[in-house]
Order: sequence, then C-alpha cells, then structure tokens
Amino acid sequence: DAGVIQSPRHEVTEMGQEVTLRCKPISGHNSLFWYRQTMMRGLELLIYFNNNVPIDDSGMPEDRFSAKMPNASFSTLKIQPSEPRDSAVYFCASGETRTGELFFGEGSRLTVL
Amino acid sequence: GENVEQHPSTLSVQEGDSAVIKCTYSDSASNYFPWYKQELGKRPQLIIDIRSNVGEKKDQRIAVTLNKTAKHFSLHITETQPEDSAVYFCAASNPRYSTLTFGKGTMLLVSP
Repeated sequence: DAGVIQSPRHEVTEMGQEVTLRCKPISGHNSLFWYRQTMMRGLELLIYFNNNVPIDDSGMPEDRFSAKMPNASFSTLKIQPSEPRDSAVYFCASGETRTGELFFGEGSRLTVL
Repeated sequence: GENVEQHPSTLSVQEGDSAVIKCTYSDSASNYFPWYKQELGKRPQLIIDIRSNVGEKKDQRIAVTLNKTAKHFSLHITETQPEDSAVYFCAASNPRYSTLTFGKGTMLLVSP
C-alpha cells in the first residue's frame, strides 16, 4: 500500500478564497482523522470519521471548515472563506479502530496570504 | 475530554547519552499510548506504543514505561545518535472515542 495520500502538498492562496484538501486513506482502514499542526497549538484533532460517518467534529474551528467522506477511499477538508490564521500543516491520518494505531499522510502545507 | 501534558518541551543531549520524555494523561479510561517521531518537514511516524495491560515495552534503543496508577508514561532513548534529533509526541487514546489526544511535543537535539 502507498500509505495515506494527501493533496495538494503545498497550497498558497489569498484570504477569502476557498481551499479544498484531499485525502486517500490506507485501504482497509475504517477510521480517518484530520489534524491541524501549528507551532503554537501543536497537533489538533479537527474531525474523526468511522466507517465514513463523522463521529466527532468538536475540533472544527468554526463554520468556515467542513469535511466530508463520501466513501471509504476519499475524504475532503474544505475551508471557505480562508483566513491568514488558517495557515498550518493539515494532516490526514487513517487507522483501524481495533488497534488504535494511526498512520499519517505527508500533510498539506497551507499558506493564506 | 482527555488532556495530555508532555515535558520537557526541548531536550538537548550529547551523542551517546540517554534521553527521557515524560507524559501525563487525565482520563483513567485511556488504554493505548503511542509515541510518534516527527522529523523536520515530515509526517509523524509511530515508533513505539504500549497498552494498559503492559508496564514496559522495549524495542532496541527505545523503551516506554506506563504507570496507570499515576497516569503517566515515559519514553526512554538510550545511546542517542544525531539521527534521533526530531520532535517526539506522546498520545493517549480513549476506547470510547477511538481518537488520539497528543501532547505538545518535545524537540530532541542530539549533538555529535
């Protein structure tokens, strides 16, 4: 397996623009997580899906953020409209609920000007 | 929810010395405690983990200990090497929610 695949790896956009980050989890994993990493706040859980169903989205900062998982092999995190304070590295991770182990993608580095 | 505290935030050691990173957690129901290593510009990668039915686990130069009564766990790296330089994160998982809560990370610098 190629591991968790994220795109784009880097995104530079202007304030107010819509940003869509994409994730393909490891085949067979039933849980998917979106994390945000900044120097100030570390690794923050944004949302967690189990069997494609959102279980916990309490970490989503505000209504500008939304996430979907239409099937077991694809998820998106959308920010609309984007703001400079959204600049961070966004990681997608997948795993099996049974073991608890998480495998991270390479991350998407977002810069909002 | 779960709260994970990690110390120290930075740690500098000489090559060959040992390094110890400590974490505490708040939810007594947590039962899975992994450690991740993140090199600069890379993704976090699992290096070792321990479950609540075990007190200690070792893998070559890396060991993790767990004290469930005190709700703390530690990462021990012996004979450190420059390639051990990275940020290390501890985490705790609550079976009710199946999510990992991470500590803030420890930047380990191993000088030759």
